[in-house]
Amino acid sequence: QSVLTEPPSASGTPGQRVTISCSGSSSNIGNNYVYWYQQLPGTAPKLLIYRNNQRPSGVPDRFSGSKSGTSASLAITGLRSEDEADYYCAAWDDSLRGVVFGGGTKLTVL
Amino acid sequence: QVQLVESGGGVVQPGTSLRLSCAASGFTFRTYAMHWVRQAPGKGLKWVAIISYDGSNKYYGDSMKGRFTISRDNSKNTLYLQMNSLTAEDTAVYYCVRDQSGDYALDYWGQGTLVTVSS
Repeated sequence: QSVLTEPPSASGTPGQRVTISCSGSSSNIGNNYVYWYQQLPGTAPKLLIYRNNQRPSGVPDRFSGSKSGTSASLAITGLRSEDEADYYCAAWDDSLRGVVFGGGTKLTVL
Repeated sequence: QVQLVESGGGVVQPGTSLRLSCAASGFTFRTYAMHWVRQAPGKGLKWVAIISYDGSNKYYGDSMKGRFTISRDNSKNTLYLQMNSLTAEDTAVYYCVRDQSGDYALDYWGQGTLVTVSS
């Protein structure tokens, strides 16, 4: 059971817009930054979004993050086949004094 | 370029110990906090531990407290994870990860090292 809750799966067709939600509590998302990671099959995770809505250099602007209260979301526009991956949200938890991850969302591009 | 190379994984019996290492290069290691994150086969990411840039502060995930110890040698640009009393539930790929700026953004990941706990 993950501290942050994500849907186990999501899907879309090429060109579509897809959103992935992440729900937490006041001790994590509500009081700290949210991060998003992309894990392509067979590879290490990659930082996709930091500080709620910032993109590291090299991450396309098709990816965007937002946060409201104790929830956050990742949006992917202009969906492409290479976006098929697992996506994880994460945040620091003040009560647990550690980083907590969502269970991951498997994105399928139909 | 930033490189993180883990080593020390392998197959061990339940109840035994193992030490993982992570050799860092391409950045000023002594100025960054570092993490270990693990991923059991077919499962999601689970945070293991963090150590501050100078080793003075350490925090652990709940199931690792008392069994795992994170440490670093800034003179050798190396991060360590000492794992004791291993169980089958510790079977996972262990990733060494850099903390981007001290606010828990995990910006560079190693390729991971597989630890299998089995009799």
